[in-house]
Amino acid sequence: EVQVVESGGDLVQPGRSLRLSCAASGFIFEDYAMHWVRQAPGKGLEWVSGITSKSDGVGYWDSVKGRFTISRDNAKNSLYLQMNSLRTEDTALYYCVRGIAVAGLGYFDLWGRGTLVSVSS
Amino acid sequence: EIVLTQSPGTLSLSPGERATLSCRASQSVRSNYLAWYQQKPGQAPRLLIYGASSRATGIPDRFSASGSGTDFTLTISRLEPEDSAVYYCQHYSSPPRTFGQGTKVEIK
Repeated sequence: EVQVVESGGDLVQPGRSLRLSCAASGFIFEDYAMHWVRQAPGKGLEWVSGITSKSDGVGYWDSVKGRFTISRDNAKNSLYLQMNSLRTEDTALYYCVRGIAVAGLGYFDLWGRGTLVSVSS
Repeated sequence: EIVLTQSPGTLSLSPGERATLSCRASQSVRSNYLAWYQQKPGQAPRLLIYGASSRATGIPDRFSASGSGTDFTLTISRLEPEDSAVYYCQHYSSPPRTFGQGTKVEIK
């Protein structure tokens, strides 16, 4: 089955760190760009970060630049998001998403169920 | 940054009716680089449309989309109860890719 499964979400205090993981299966992971998209409770969708198939390019939403780091391990079919200096506004369901690259950007054709990150004191 | 504005906020229709959802961009979306997603309650989003008008794999043909430049439309020709969801548009014209705020479709 083609799927991505997130893990690592938790309740943490502001300023702390968290590492999200995403395990991919059923497709050739190294052929695809991968992304994290988040959704705050009751809100819409927000692209957070993306990484190219060979890890030679990364991108971040402005509000997470310098705090979050995306990475991947193609040998392990895994995607990661290291989240440092967490803020209350980072509270959201974080989706691991497969990207279809088009002209350097692209759209998202496979979504996981998400992992919940809650930042609160 | 391209801002996408979706309207209406909520659409309440009966089964069998036609739903028309709008997505307007603050500046032109090049090459019709626009996608639509469906998100049912408690579920992850699902890709419906890419390239402004191409249906994704497995999407029923009652879903269609059109548009160019700054104005895009998603049409559900004959609503079914399972179409109750929030629908989002997303552009991939220039960084950063952004989503609209969503249109909620309610089935009476």
